[in-house]
Amino acid sequence: EVQLVESGGGLVQPGRSLRLSCTASGFTFGDYAMSWVRQAPGKGLEWVGFIRSKAYGGTTEYAASVKGRFTISRDDSKSIAYLQMNSLKTEDTAVYYCTRDPPWDLADYWGQGTLVTVSS
Amino acid sequence: DVVMTQSPLSLPVTLGQPASISCRSSQSLVYNDGNTYLNWFQQRPGQSPRRLIYKVSNRDSGVPDRFSGSGSGTDFTLKISRVEAEDVGVYYCVQGTHWPYTFGQGTKLEIK
Repeated sequence: EVQLVESGGGLVQPGRSLRLSCTASGFTFGDYAMSWVRQAPGKGLEWVGFIRSKAYGGTTEYAASVKGRFTISRDDSKSIAYLQMNSLKTEDTAVYYCTRDPPWDLADYWGQGTLVTVSS
Repeated sequence: DVVMTQSPLSLPVTLGQPASISCRSSQSLVYNDGNTYLNWFQQRPGQSPRRLIYKVSNRDSGVPDRFSGSGSGTDFTLKISRVEAEDVGVYYCVQGTHWPYTFGQGTKLEIK
């Protein structure tokens, strides 16, 4: 059974950093790209970014709203994807989901999400 | 960025009746490989999104066949042939052809 479990969320002050983890199981993690998608309270969905599998270069893409502040990485030996968030802003407050992205496909599985609250 | 416009944003439906959601993109979603990367997601209250349809019209495993997707180019539709109580939630289209991937605003389906 495919499972994605996010962790690392919490309350953080503006300007500080936080690292989220997405621990995967039930599939060969290295074969898939992984994305992060967020949802501000009561709002819609926003694609934050993704990291390709090593077979496709392991490169990353980011939304303009987070580029230069957020970094996505992966550890295929541990089946974990990370979202390093620096210089956090109040508008980054959201539930952050990780998704599994098959080759040339999007988000066939989602985690349960982890809440990040940026507030002083 | 590609703008995805859904309509309606609110959809009250009687149980057993059909429902239809439109999703229009500001530019063509046909990719270089000939595929169209337009997916539909359902988000039930208090839950994570769940994918229903991928590449316009392919139903995910376990998705009831009352859900169907259609369309091409810039104009897409999600149809529910007979709405059931468990279909309550918000439905999103998303395009994965152009980066950044973009979602529609969401359509809230409720039972009338």
